Amino acid sequence: DTAVSQTPKYLVTQMGNDKSIKCEQNLGHDTMYWYKQDSKKFLKIMFSYNNKELIINETVPNRFSPKSPDKAHLNLHINSLELGDSAVYFCASSQGVHDNTEAFFGQGTRLTVV
Amino acid sequence: AQRVTQPEKLLSVFKGAPVELKCNYSYSGSPELFWYVQYSRQRLQLLLRHISRESIKGFTADLNKGETSFHLKKPFAQEEDSAMYYCALRSPSNTGKLIFGQGTTLQVKP
Repeated sequence: DTAVSQTPKYLVTQMGNDKSIKCEQNLGHDTMYWYKQDSKKFLKIMFSYNNKELIINETVPNRFSPKSPDKAHLNLHINSLELGDSAVYFCASSQGVHDNTEAFFGQGTRLTVV
Repeated sequence: AQRVTQPEKLLSVFKGAPVELKCNYSYSGSPELFWYVQYSRQRLQLLLRHISRESIKGFTADLNKGETSFHLKKPFAQEEDSAMYYCALRSPSNTGKLIFGQGTTLQVKP
């Protein structure tokens, strides 16, 4: 009974390709996020959507485009992949953005660009 | 700017020893602080939050505003505590954004 699920779990692709990572949550949450964990395990937010509206875009290159077809889904599309995009991408969700809100994370998608 | 610092990349202790994972933050207002844990091959999950003042799996963390710290402590480490621990600060921007520290890997040896 997975709360936040991402697909695929692993993605290996060549430079220049376009790829998507999907995320779905069944918690009924209003807010969804994408975080990037780099090779040094540093976690940083990329995007956040609240009720399908973009509320955070953390100076991410235009090649990254999030899409939220509904509250339960936040997909991440990446164009023209570069070597530096190799990382683990985590989707997360929370019930709103206010005090004490717990974020629930997906299991991560390990993207390797070769 | 808000920032979270975890000075230790790796902390290695023996089973039964006390553990303290350090976390310092930079924020001028009243912070909302969390500890998240990632066990091997599992997803990141909330361990505890400062506002609850709770103890989870024997871990506690006290907010010290004077020292701008939120260190995670456990008196007697267990092997199953081995994991990656992240300290996080909720951004005051009303977006739900979490600002994470660099993470500390805790290794508890038998």
